[in-house]
Amino acid sequence: SQELEQSPQSLIVQEGKNLTINCTSSKTLYGLYWYKQKYGEGLIFLMMLQKGGEEKSHEKITAKLDEKKQQSSLHITASQPSHAGIYLCGAESGGSNYKLTFGKGTLLTVNP
Amino acid sequence: KAGVTQTPRYLIKTRGQQVTLSCSPISGHRSVSWYQQTPGQGLQFLFEYFSETQRNKGNFPGRFSGRQFSNSRSEMNVSTLELGDSALYLCASSLFSGGNNEQFFGPGTRLTVL
Repeated sequence: SQELEQSPQSLIVQEGKNLTINCTSSKTLYGLYWYKQKYGEGLIFLMMLQKGGEEKSHEKITAKLDEKKQQSSLHITASQPSHAGIYLCGAESGGSNYKLTFGKGTLLTVNP
Repeated sequence: KAGVTQTPRYLIKTRGQQVTLSCSPISGHRSVSWYQQTPGQGLQFLFEYFSETQRNKGNFPGRFSGRQFSNSRSEMNVSTLELGDSALYLCASSLFSGGNNEQFFGPGTRLTVL
């Protein structure tokens, strides 16, 4: 079964700093999703990547899927307290038994 | 457009009881997936329903079951509750089943088993 490893597990940054979260898969990624979660709440969709080398941006958040399609990164520029939360990557399983497998998440704290 | 709603938001049960959780998808969405989230295991896939049929199932015991109605609303049931079933249960809806298909998550139901 596919496993996703996120790094770091937690991150504390000063407001205004840039940061990167990585998501590494044990298998080829067919579709990679990034979500954000406030503690104990539902997930908010950020971005979906499907093609190797694909890069998408929304406001100050950029996500990339590497050429070999086994790793994705999420980059936040000039972080703000509103960026704080848990970032989760989820990968499509591929094949007929479709499901999303998620990493354990990265807890981001942004200090003002 | 209203988002995914889940009821109840919080639930406290005792071991051995059973529980039913409800999920109403976004209007027009026909696929509903259920996930269990715990601090130790993270977010794990339970099952997916599409057009009233279970399409896929995760690695959970038979105590966990679900169904979907003709209006796409879904329920999941957990029988003979165990302490380890304490978790945040999330449902997600999407237009169709399969890949390249954004899933919209509800706020979750926090289940505590005493």
